[in-house]
Amino acid sequence: QKEVEQNSGPLSVPEGAIASLNCTYSDRVSQSFFWYRQYSGKSPELIMSIYSNGDKEDGRFTAQLNKASQYVSLLIRDSQPSDSATYLCAVNSGGYQKVTFGTGTKLQVIP
Amino acid sequence: GAVVSQHPSRVICKSGTSVKIECRSLDFQATTMFWYRQFPKKSLMLMATSNEGSKATYEQGVEKDKFLINHASLTLSTLTVTSAHPEDSSFYICSAGHPGQGKGNNQPQHFGDGTRLSIL
Repeated sequence: QKEVEQNSGPLSVPEGAIASLNCTYSDRVSQSFFWYRQYSGKSPELIMSIYSNGDKEDGRFTAQLNKASQYVSLLIRDSQPSDSATYLCAVNSGGYQKVTFGTGTKLQVIP
Repeated sequence: GAVVSQHPSRVICKSGTSVKIECRSLDFQATTMFWYRQFPKKSLMLMATSNEGSKATYEQGVEKDKFLINHASLTLSTLTVTSAHPEDSSFYICSAGHPGQGKGNNQPQHFGDGTRLSIL
């Protein structure tokens, strides 16, 4: 069974710090990786997509992918209280557009 | 763009009622949409893949006669929870990928706002 693992947290960081969220996956042939943010009671919203090894930056967010280690991470620089949410890692799992979600990491940014 | 609209946002009804939830892609066409279910403090559980013009593909353990899916057009998929009971109470969310985004066949999913279903 294809699995996506995340530490459930909560991960607490002070405002202005860097938050580091990690995700490992089991399926070696996975090619597409996504990070979503989900506020309590809301549906997930896409933050980043990454397809190639290395780093991809978008504003305060940086996604990092290492396919050899089957590891994908999300860095949030200058964390803000509004970043407090659950972050879901998603990995394509075969089939057209089909992904497997991790259980999510809850992030708390302390003012 | 890549807006997905879901309706209704909240349903409260009596046990035995059938409930229909609509999922629309507003600014793109989606041959495939996905339906998820989420319990409090849990992750998303894929229920089924909705395929335009053909039968939906259900995940293991999901009753297809309980959760009817119809994908009659390239912009609309519906999920009907038939004869709903209290154990069906949950947060149901749909998603679709914009064909012009992403890489190959792996477009990032865009989610509707979800439907919170409460069966009394």
